[in-house]
Amino acid sequence: ELKVEQNPLFLSMQEGKNYTIYCNYSTTSDRLYWYRQDPGKSLESLFVLLSNGAVKQEGRLMASLDTKARLSTLHITAAVHDLSATYFCAVDRGDSSYKLIFGSGTRLLVRP
Amino acid sequence: NAGVMQNPRHLVRRRGQEARLRCSPMKGHSHVYWYRQLPEEGLKFMVYLQKENIIDESGMPKERFSAEFPKEGPSILRIQQVVRGDSAAYFCASSPRTGSYEQYFGPGTRLTVT
Repeated sequence: ELKVEQNPLFLSMQEGKNYTIYCNYSTTSDRLYWYRQDPGKSLESLFVLLSNGAVKQEGRLMASLDTKARLSTLHITAAVHDLSATYFCAVDRGDSSYKLIFGSGTRLLVRP
Repeated sequence: NAGVMQNPRHLVRRRGQEARLRCSPMKGHSHVYWYRQLPEEGLKFMVYLQKENIIDESGMPKERFSAEFPKEGPSILRIQQVVRGDSAAYFCASSPRTGSYEQYFGPGTRLTVT
């Protein structure tokens, strides 16, 4: 069974600090997705990583993918309060259905 | 171009009633996915549909749940005889074509069963 595991599940950090969220998965899929969800809201797509070694950056967030290790990271640089949210990684099975398998999410709280 | 639309946004049902959740995909999209999110959890795949066809319903409970995506009109997720455990947020996502990994999520329907 395809599994996606994120850690940590909860992260409280001070503004200005750096931290990394990890996402391990068990499939051979090369497509890895990162989403952000604010409380009571829908999912906002952050990154789609399509190949081994892919790295994408947007503002204070940077995502990378190592398909050999089946690992993706979401790195937060100099966190600010506005980044407080829940972050999900997801993979698809690599077949034509593209249905997504999600991790449990990392709830990030950035403290002043 | 309007995004994926879902209605209602909030739905309250008593145990034993039926719940109907609607999803209108983005214009030009013919693939719809339904996901369920229980409180404090990630999203779980339920069903994948194309127009008039259910492609994959492996994540949908065998009883009480059904889904359709007719030639005309929105996709509908139907839950019969709801129980408290059905309380969750139900998200729909649409995709433009076969072979596309792009999924666009709707705002979700939050179902509360009392």
